[in-house]
Amino acid sequence: GQSLEQPSEVTAVEGAIVQINCTYQTSGFYGLSWYQQHDGGAPTFLSYNALDGLEETGRFSSFLSRSDSYGYLLLQELQMKDSASYFCAVKKRAAGNKLTFGGGTRVLVKP
Amino acid sequence: NAGVTQTPKFRVLKTGQSMTLLCAQDMNHEYMYWYRQDPGMGLRLIHYSVGEGTTAKGEVPDGYNVSRLKKQNFLLGLESAAPSQTSVYFCASSHRSVQRQETQYFGPGTRLLVL
Repeated sequence: GQSLEQPSEVTAVEGAIVQINCTYQTSGFYGLSWYQQHDGGAPTFLSYNALDGLEETGRFSSFLSRSDSYGYLLLQELQMKDSASYFCAVKKRAAGNKLTFGGGTRVLVKP
Repeated sequence: NAGVTQTPKFRVLKTGQSMTLLCAQDMNHEYMYWYRQDPGMGLRLIHYSVGEGTTAKGEVPDGYNVSRLKKQNFLLGLESAAPSQTSVYFCASSHRSVQRQETQYFGPGTRLLVL
């Protein structure tokens, strides 16, 4: 089986930095993805880590440690529009492009 | 390009009724997926397809059937709807992937209420 754990909710103010952790237990791990979903909207892709280390895309960065079965998404210089749910998702080997999603972290950005 | 589209956007069914949700993509993607998302939860894979004429079960396939007669379309059927199938249904598509990550592109969702 497999499971992903991430916090259910995080609150922060504009301009702050938020780190969303994701721990996973799965066999045949291949990579960790992050998706963003605004209320009432569809999930959209943010980032992907297949190797250990940090991937940076503008204000967002994602980190992976395969030995620790752990990753995180870092949101910097928070803006009101970053209020959304963020999901980590695991890709397994030999599974085509199937993903298993975590339960999501709701980020609330306050003025 | 429209990307991934889903019809209908919203539907109310009575227990026992049947319906089909349609997903279409214009990106020439090989893979397509159907997910359900319940309030405050992540996405769970119902069925998926790695090519025209092929389908496979995901995590929660019971009570659903799918068909992929054309590469651009992926249909999700509920033969006899139950209240437990009240959910938001998302379709997604991606390029074929063996070794590397391929982004999944999601449709806007179909909100289904089963009374």
